[in-house]
Amino acid sequence: NAGVTQTPKFRVLKTGQSMTLLCAQDMNHEYMYWYRQDPGMGLRLIHYSVGEGTTAKGEVPDGYNVSRLKKQNFLLGLESAAPSQTSVYFCASSLGQGRVDRYNEQFFGPGTRLTVL
Amino acid sequence: LAKTTQPISMDSYEGQEVNITCSHNNIATNDYITWYQQFPSQGPRFIIQGYKTKVTNEVASLFIPADRKSSTLSLPRVSLSDTAVYYCLVGDRGKNQGGKLIFGQGTELSVKP
Repeated sequence: NAGVTQTPKFRVLKTGQSMTLLCAQDMNHEYMYWYRQDPGMGLRLIHYSVGEGTTAKGEVPDGYNVSRLKKQNFLLGLESAAPSQTSVYFCASSLGQGRVDRYNEQFFGPGTRLTVL
Repeated sequence: LAKTTQPISMDSYEGQEVNITCSHNNIATNDYITWYQQFPSQGPRFIIQGYKTKVTNEVASLFIPADRKSSTLSLPRVSLSDTAVYYCLVGDRGKNQGGKLIFGQGTELSVKP
């Protein structure tokens, strides 16, 4: 089991460029999440998904779009990158529901470090 | 989602027991209390979760008083490798909430030799 993987690990963009971050999980989890973490701060939820084909906004959704076309993948898109989007991006997944006691436990990927110049 | 307050930082020495207290005065009836640990350059990792009284697992204990307005994460005999940021989170586990987590600043624990 690879768990949660993120692609790429690092990326440098120029202002106005676009890119897509890919998150993949092999645990058959229903729920998936995208967070950003800025220096010295906790994680902030950008968007999340409670199932294939569904997405919802989190705390800081502006400037980002997401898609969950397949259950195992959750894509985060930046259409026109801005320096304020320089951050470390984490993807996570969880069972979401079920009889297992820790069904809401979120498993995090290794992160993507994005710099926007 | 209930707001939580925890110390910004704590120092300890190897072999000591560390207790990190989290305040959550507005906790709701359906809310659970969960703690995550984050090492530098890594994503957070689940440590422990509880609803009331005491929960213990292989790495930590979680103490929750009857009024549930606070909780204490206890790490027995810490080592250098326990140096990390610890987050206290409070939220409803139900499907309607989408399993969302709201991270605060966390407590930066530094363990010294």
